[in-house]
Order: sequence, then structure tokens, then C-alpha cells
Amino acid sequence: AQKVTQAQTEISVVEKEDVTLDCVYETRDTTYYLFWYKQPPSGELVFLIRRNSFDEQNEISGRYSWNFQKSTSSFNFTITASQVVDSAVYFCALSEAGRTYKYIFGTGTRLKVLA
Amino acid sequence: GAVVSQHPSRVICKSGTSVKIECRSLDFQATTMFWYRQFPKKSLMLMATSNEGSKATYEQGVEKDKFLINHASLTLSTLTVTSAHPEDSSFYICSARDLSENYGYTFGSGTRLTVV
Repeated sequence: AQKVTQAQTEISVVEKEDVTLDCVYETRDTTYYLFWYKQPPSGELVFLIRRNSFDEQNEISGRYSWNFQKSTSSFNFTITASQVVDSAVYFCALSEAGRTYKYIFGTGTRLKVLA
Repeated sequence: GAVVSQHPSRVICKSGTSVKIECRSLDFQATTMFWYRQFPKKSLMLMATSNEGSKATYEQGVEKDKFLINHASLTLSTLTVTSAHPEDSSFYICSARDLSENYGYTFGSGTRLTVV
């Protein structure tokens, strides 16, 4: 069965600190996709990154970076030099390249960046 | 990039009434759309898959007669919460995929439903 675990329910950091959000997934498929979304207080889901199972390269986009490790089934997200505007709930999600392309979301990590 | 518009963003209704939520793909056609529900401080749970021109596919535990889904065109899916009750209060969000882009779904901005 597919499952996404975000063990950190809530994290508080002080501005400019680095913070890593953990994501561990389970799937029996060899082809799958992993995502990170940001949900600010307004509620919409903001797409951050998509990674397919065949691409284990880490990615950096500005202050954001992602570490994908198939050996540990993890897809962790790091924010460097956090800012107050980074405060939001972050969701990790898994989608298998099957017929329905359903997203399985983790329970989310609420990040609070304090000024 | 692909844009999915969801309307209304917020709605308050009385118990017993029905509420319709629209999900539109603005610049692409979507044969399949998904409807999710999010309880406060909880994750998003897939409710149903909306298929253009055919019946929706509901996830286990989701009442088909309570949550009516209509996908009448390639750019519009609607979710109607019938005979709403306070326990139906939640955040509902839809998603769709633009096949012309690399794999990935775009989410609407969500609808916060409050039933009083």
C-alpha cells in the first residue's frame, strides 16, 4: 500500500535558521512521483517540486533544496535561511504511475518561522 | 502554467441546504479531475475522481449521494454537497492535470465550507 509519513507535526524556528522537513514514503511501484506542496494560511496548495523515481539527483532552487534517497525511501525538504513568509503547512505527496494518478498526501508539517 | 479556478472560495450555508462548488481548468482541457477534502489541521484526503462524460469514482467511505460530482465538460467539474450538515464543514479542493505539461497536477485554491 502507498503511504506518506511526515513525522514532524509542527516545527518552530527563528528567522534565518535552516530547517529540514522530513518525508518518508512507501510504495510497491517502481515508477512513482514525489511532490512537495506549500499551503499558506489562505489555503491554496502551492506546487514546489516534482521528482520522479528514476531521478535521484538532489535539487536546489534558491533557498529550497530537496534530498531524494531511494535507499531510505525519503524525500526531505530543506529551507535555508528561513523567513517569516515561509510559515505554512508543507505537504509531501506520492503518486504512482498507474491508471489513476492519485495523490497520497502526508499529514503535513506546520512550519512557524519566528521573527 | 496550468491554472485551475475554484469557486466559491468561501461559503456559509444553513443545515439542510445544498452547496455547489465549481472547479474549472482555465487554459487546458481536463478529462479527469480530483476532489479532496481537508479537515482542520489534517491532511488532504481524496474523495473522488471526476471523469468527463461518465460517473465519478468515489473513494471508500465517501457517500455518493451526499457528494454529487458532475463533470459535464472538459473544463468543468462540480461538487455538490447535498443536505449539508455541520459535519460537512471542511476545506474542499480540486485538482486537474494539463497533459501538455510534464507530469503534475494543478490544484484549485480551495473552498472553505461552513455549515451552520
